[in-house]
Amino acid sequence: NAGVTQTPKFQVLKTGQSMTLQCAQDMNHNSMYWYRQDPGMGLRLIYYSASEGTTDKGEVPNGYNVSRLNKREFSLRLESAAPSQTSVYFCASSERPYEQYFGPGTRLTVT
Amino acid sequence: KQEVTQIPAALSVPEGENLVLNCSFTDSAIYNLQWFRQDPGKGLTSLLLIQSSQREQTSGRLNASLDKSSGRSTLYIAASQPGDSATYLCAVTEGSQGNLIFGKGTKLSVKP
Repeated sequence: NAGVTQTPKFQVLKTGQSMTLQCAQDMNHNSMYWYRQDPGMGLRLIYYSASEGTTDKGEVPNGYNVSRLNKREFSLRLESAAPSQTSVYFCASSERPYEQYFGPGTRLTVT
Repeated sequence: KQEVTQIPAALSVPEGENLVLNCSFTDSAIYNLQWFRQDPGKGLTSLLLIQSSQREQTSGRLNASLDKSSGRSTLYIAASQPGDSATYLCAVTEGSQGNLIFGKGTKLSVKP
């Protein structure tokens, strides 16, 4: 039982490049979330998916897209990376609105 | 808009002390409140979840309380140890979607 897994762990991008962050959970949870964590700003919600086939914007969705591929997987895509997207990205899952479980994070640097 | 505040931002105590971390929130209409621990460069580990109908939860040396009417929660750590050194985050759940709104955390250092 791995919980929530994220790939990659680290990534460096140049401005304008694109990439997809992958997240998977094996707890059979319906809800999945993407957060970003920045110094001085705390964790903020980017997008969430209440169930397979649905996605909704969170507090800071601009510059991101998401896909809920199936019940297990929820990916976050940066179409044209900007330095302001340098952050640590966390995926989480829950059987809403209960306890959320977090992945280990992806540390992204955009130069 | 819900805001979550954690005071103090940093705390340093000698080993063995009992300590209290504070969390306040501006809107009492929450589903639950969750306390997390985050070690440097790591993800978040859930410590305790308090449902809106509950007053407290306990796990080992940790006790979390919730007073919805006053918009406050406390995390009590008994007999602190150097291994408790980490950042502690408080987050509230608003709405049935389960989205978490986080405080900025309290960085705890327990000195041997």
